[in-house]
Amino acid sequence: GAGVSQTPSNKVTEKGKYVELRCDPISGHTALYWYRQSLGQGPEFLIYFQGTGAADDSGLPNDRFFAVRPEGSVSTLKIQRTERGDSAVYLCASSFSGTGIYEQYFGPGTRLTVT
Amino acid sequence: DQQVKQNSPSLSVQEGRISILNCDYTNSMFDYFLWYKKYPAEGPTFLISISSIKDKNEDGRFTVFLNKSAKHLSLHIVPSQPGDSAVYFCAATNAGGTSYGKLTFGQGTILTVHP
Repeated sequence: GAGVSQTPSNKVTEKGKYVELRCDPISGHTALYWYRQSLGQGPEFLIYFQGTGAADDSGLPNDRFFAVRPEGSVSTLKIQRTERGDSAVYLCASSFSGTGIYEQYFGPGTRLTVT
Repeated sequence: DQQVKQNSPSLSVQEGRISILNCDYTNSMFDYFLWYKKYPAEGPTFLISISSIKDKNEDGRFTVFLNKSAKHLSLHIVPSQPGDSAVYFCAATNAGGTSYGKLTFGQGTILTVHP
């Protein structure tokens, strides 16, 4: 079946602009996760959703970052007033939820470049 | 504060030999550990996992060992194949906690398997 898809694959924006990154999880997966990966580092947790609600948003770096999942499927990560330090690959993952289910399936990521 | 550390940025092995990738963690609340493999321009792919109630888990050529007292885990690949060349990430979570979806990743180790 189809895996996690993310659009766009690449996004170049100017400092100060607003961007939206989209994630389509695997069908039937109720949990959805956002991570950010900088060059030479591992993925860094941002937020995860169980259904429509954010179960943990402790990784969002500041209030310029916001994510939604209004219908419990597709999610959008929104970044306001982008800064050059926001440049990274933004990864989305999904999984089944429930006891004993911890493996997350990742999409290919969106490479964000802020100039 | 790097709670999951992979101290070897890279590892080079000959085809057919054993590859051993290491990972250390500091957070004693972590009780579930995962290894992911990542090819360029793709998202991480789940490889194998282990719960803290075990000290070993095996899946084909891949074995993960967990030493809780040392807060150390390792991934063994035997025999290594050129197709195993990738970046390997160790990740951990508190599966017994409310935020079990939050994975903490190490920095990654680049494995190169030479024919």
